[in-house]
Amino acid sequence: DTGVSQDPRHKITKRGQNVTFRCDPISEHNRLYWYRQTLGQGPEFLTYFQNEAQLEKSRLLSDRFSAERPKGSFSTLEIQRTEQGDSAMYLCASSILSEQFFGPGTRLTVL
Amino acid sequence: GIQVEQSPPDLILQEGANSTLRCNFSDSVNNLQWFHQNPWGQLINLFYIPSGTKQNGRLSATTVATERYSLLYISSSQTTDSGVYFCAGAGGTSYGKLTFGQGTILTVHP
Repeated sequence: DTGVSQDPRHKITKRGQNVTFRCDPISEHNRLYWYRQTLGQGPEFLTYFQNEAQLEKSRLLSDRFSAERPKGSFSTLEIQRTEQGDSAMYLCASSILSEQFFGPGTRLTVL
Repeated sequence: GIQVEQSPPDLILQEGANSTLRCNFSDSVNNLQWFHQNPWGQLINLFYIPSGTKQNGRLSATTVATERYSLLYISSSQTTDSGVYFCAGAGGTSYGKLTFGQGTILTVHP
């Protein structure tokens, strides 16, 4: 299967800890996106990369959040000093043109 | 940014029935997608349809870009169609940023 992959699939952490998620896009997809989904809501855009350049960031992406895509392939999303409000599903997507394909997500629980 | 409104929020059907889900956009979009979210949370692509009509088996979709809405048709529904359906669009200079609706929760009873 050559779909978008995300790791880990589940993460439980204590408030105040740092967490890092990884996303591997579909091979040759130059665009990569991060979204966050809370219970009962649709996904919300966080940030978007074209190759290694971060082209757009949402205001939802506070100073505690940072995303990188150093070589234009996989991407990492780090959350520092996690808060209970960070509990959500974090979704990654990739595309060549406009149509985005999503990974299985990382479910974060902050205790 | 673009606002996306989906209707109805909930839909309950008997197996075999047909249904129509609607998505309205506050502004023109150059990317429009329909998704089905499975029970594990993964978004499954149904259609990429910024304009026109497409069909895939029992599912079809129509987007009327000039009137800023899209419709998803499900015919002869099956219990496996149950789940949450999302539409999402992107427009203007934020073509990479999909804005999602709140979703339609579909329940199909046997």
